[in-house]
Amino acid sequence: ILNVEQSPQSLHVQEGDSTNFTCSFPSSNFYALHWYRWETAKSPEALFVMTLNGDEKKKGRISATLNTKEGYSYLYIKGSQPEDSATYLCASDSNYQLIWGAGTKLIIKP
Amino acid sequence: DVKVTQSSRYLVKRTGEKVFLECVQDMDHENMFWYRQDPGLGLRLIYFSYDVKMKEKGDIPEGYSVSREKKERFSLILESASTNQTSMYLCASSFQGTGANVLTFGAGSRLTVL
Repeated sequence: ILNVEQSPQSLHVQEGDSTNFTCSFPSSNFYALHWYRWETAKSPEALFVMTLNGDEKKKGRISATLNTKEGYSYLYIKGSQPEDSATYLCASDSNYQLIWGAGTKLIIKP
Repeated sequence: DVKVTQSSRYLVKRTGEKVFLECVQDMDHENMFWYRQDPGLGLRLIYFSYDVKMKEKGDIPEGYSVSREKKERFSLILESASTNQTSMYLCASSFQGTGANVLTFGAGSRLTVL
């Protein structure tokens, strides 16, 4: 079984500050990398799916990069807002199965 | 516009009880999945289905079974609940097509087995 590691496990960020966290995945059998946001009492929702080395995707203040050769992806949040508080999950997709990281829990302090 | 609906948000059951967790999606997705989520661990796949009446074991199928009699409904069954099945259960669905399949999740069912 492949291992997907996310760091840090949790993160407290002051409102207005920018932040980033990491998803590491085995680079063998790579097909795609997924990012999801899971707010408390809601459904996890898809943020990005990335497939190409060097890919960068953006959605409002949130962006993500992908390095398939070294096996990592960064998620960036610019100017954190209270509504960004959530657990951010990444999953490595081998086109056969998804292997999930344990998530980074982000708490925005007002 | 709820797309994946899980029947129960919170359940409390006793050891040995039979438990049904229901999941319905309204997007005509072929694929449906049941995951469990435990603190400090990534989502773990219990069972999945690519078509009606079809099921495949995931990584941790022991102690669970599933039923998919209709395309939109995928049920998870705990024949005899045990305390180690206390967990958050997530249902998800996706299209069956080329490219990376994005999952649409339900809001989860938190099961406590006493």
